[in-house]
Formats: sequence, C-alpha cells, structure tokens
Amino acid sequence: GAGVSQSPSNKVTEKGKDVELRCDPISGHTALYWYRQSLGQGLEFLIYFQGNSAPDKSGLPSDRFSAERTGGSVSTLTIQRTQQEDSAVYLCASSFSTSSGDQETQYFGPGTRLLVL
Amino acid sequence: AQKVTQAQTEISVVEKEDVTLDCVYETRDTTYYLFWYKQPPSGELVFLIRRNSFDEQNEISGRYSWNFQKSTSSFNFTITASQVVDSAVYFCALSESYRGKLIFGQGTELSVKP
Repeated sequence: GAGVSQSPSNKVTEKGKDVELRCDPISGHTALYWYRQSLGQGLEFLIYFQGNSAPDKSGLPSDRFSAERTGGSVSTLTIQRTQQEDSAVYLCASSFSTSSGDQETQYFGPGTRLLVL
Repeated sequence: AQKVTQAQTEISVVEKEDVTLDCVYETRDTTYYLFWYKQPPSGELVFLIRRNSFDEQNEISGRYSWNFQKSTSSFNFTITASQVVDSAVYFCALSESYRGKLIFGQGTELSVKP
C-alpha cells in the first residue's frame, strides 16, 4: 500500500511569512508524529497525535509552531512568522497502535525541505 | 532522561569489509523499544529493525545483524560484507512504551567505497 506522503517536498519562504506543511499518514495508522531534522540539532521530535487523545506537544520549539490533525488522518504543521533557524527538513511518521496502547514501528515520509531566506 | 549516543560520526570502509555501528542508550524505563533506521542519500528514513527491551536475542537478517546487550545498554549493528549500496546515514533510536516518540542518536555516516 501507499506509504506516508508529505507536501510540498520543498518550500522556500521569506522570513516572517507563515508556512503550512502537510502529511498524509499510512491508511489505518492511528498515531502520527512530526520530527525536524537540521544540521545542528539532528533529528528531534516535535509533536505526536494518538487517536482522539490530546496531542503531545512537548517537542514544539516555540509558540510559532502548531499542528492539527483532522478526522484522525491528515495533519498540517504550521509555522508562523518563520525565522531562518526554522530551516530544516520536516519529517512526518505514522504508526499503528495496538489495543493495549503500545506503539508499533513508525514509518516515515520523504520530508519537506524548508528554507527560510 | 532518555538519551541515545552514536559515538561514531563517520565510518569509511572498502567494499566487502565488515563494519559495526555502535549505539548506547540511557533510559529509566524497564519497557522500551530500540530501532535502527537507514537514511540513504535520497533522504527518506527507512526502518530496519525494532527490538523490545525484554528480548535480548540477537537478530540476523541477510548481511545485517544486531547485538542487543542490556548489561551495557548497547544495541550495535553489524553489516557483513558491506556493499556500496550500504552507504547511508544510520540512526539508532529509543522509544519508551506508550509514549511513542523516538529519541534519535546523532547518526553514523557510513561510506562504502568500491
């Protein structure tokens, strides 16, 4: 079946503008994650959605970052008033969650490469 | 606090050599999962293996093998008879059961030369 898809694949924006990044998880996966990969910070967790539960936002670096997941499927990560330090690859992953709440393997999308000028 | 350390930043080998990528982790949980992912030049993270903290059996998959040792908090990855296509950045990661998020190491860039 289809894997995780993300759009756009590349995004160039000017400092101060808002951007929206989209993630389509694997069909049937109940958990969705956003990560960021940058040269200085490596791979870091941003936010996690699990079913109808409140998301785990503990990794969001500032209040300029927000995310939502509509209908338990597609997710949008929004960065407001972008800064140059936001330049990174934003990765989305999804996983299936067992009935006991345990997490299965996360499968990653190809990422969105964001460049803030 | 959870932490994953991949001390080897870069490794360069010649094709057909065996190579081991080291991974050391820290966690206070008794139930956790360990992972290895491969990131080829194309950029997409490819899942390789997931191990439960209760299962210390070593695993072999073709030319790949993994050595999990709780006593030393290590989960090392060996590629036997390396090939040029193995060139990639390899990430070790830890997740604690029920919390889901992955804690990644800094990655080891493996270069296999013909």
